[in-house]
Amino acid sequence: AQSVAQPEDQVNVAEGNPLTVKCTYSVSGNPYLFWYVQYPNRGLQFLLKYITGDNLVKGSYGFEAEFNKSQTSFHLKKPSALVSDSALYFCAVRDMIGGFKTIFGAGTRLFVKA
Amino acid sequence: EAGVAQSPRYKIIEKRQSVAFWCNPISGHATLYWYQQILGQGPKLLIQFQNNGVVDDSQLPKDRFSAERLKGVDSTLKIQPAKLEDSAVYLCASSLEGTVLTDTQYFGPGTRLTVL
Repeated sequence: AQSVAQPEDQVNVAEGNPLTVKCTYSVSGNPYLFWYVQYPNRGLQFLLKYITGDNLVKGSYGFEAEFNKSQTSFHLKKPSALVSDSALYFCAVRDMIGGFKTIFGAGTRLFVKA
Repeated sequence: EAGVAQSPRYKIIEKRQSVAFWCNPISGHATLYWYQQILGQGPKLLIQFQNNGVVDDSQLPKDRFSAERLKGVDSTLKIQPAKLEDSAVYLCASSLEGTVLTDTQYFGPGTRLTVL
């Protein structure tokens, strides 16, 4: 069965420092991976997705994610964090074996300190 | 481009009452999703429509939840009767073509339901 794990409930980082939000997945087929961000009282906003090809995917707001097939990971990164990046981040996966259902992780709260 | 619209934004009801949520997807999007997001958890798919047909409703508690998408555009999700454990944010999302694995979903702001 498909699953997504976000091992950290919260990540704290100082403004200007690099940030990483971790995600690991388990699927039977080839994975299609997504990152979304959720600000308070708002729906999820799409950040980026991995389909195939280059393992480093660039997305919105300066975020990028690295796909690692051997480690079944898709960590979200940003070289220099902003206070405005503070939000809830969700990793999600789809694969053909699981049908077209998207499975979301439980989320990681990112707190960027000024 | 207008985003996904949902109403109401907040709803408080007592258990055993009924409630309905409305969603209008992005124009031209064939696929519409309803998710339930319980506090501290990621969104869980309740039902997925392709135009006005159901693609997946395997996680919809059909004894109390129902959804329809007449004319393949907007959609209504209903709970009847509500239970305390239904307290959650109900998110609607849409995408161009949900049967394509790479398709991106766009989410509405959600409806926060509190059942007392």
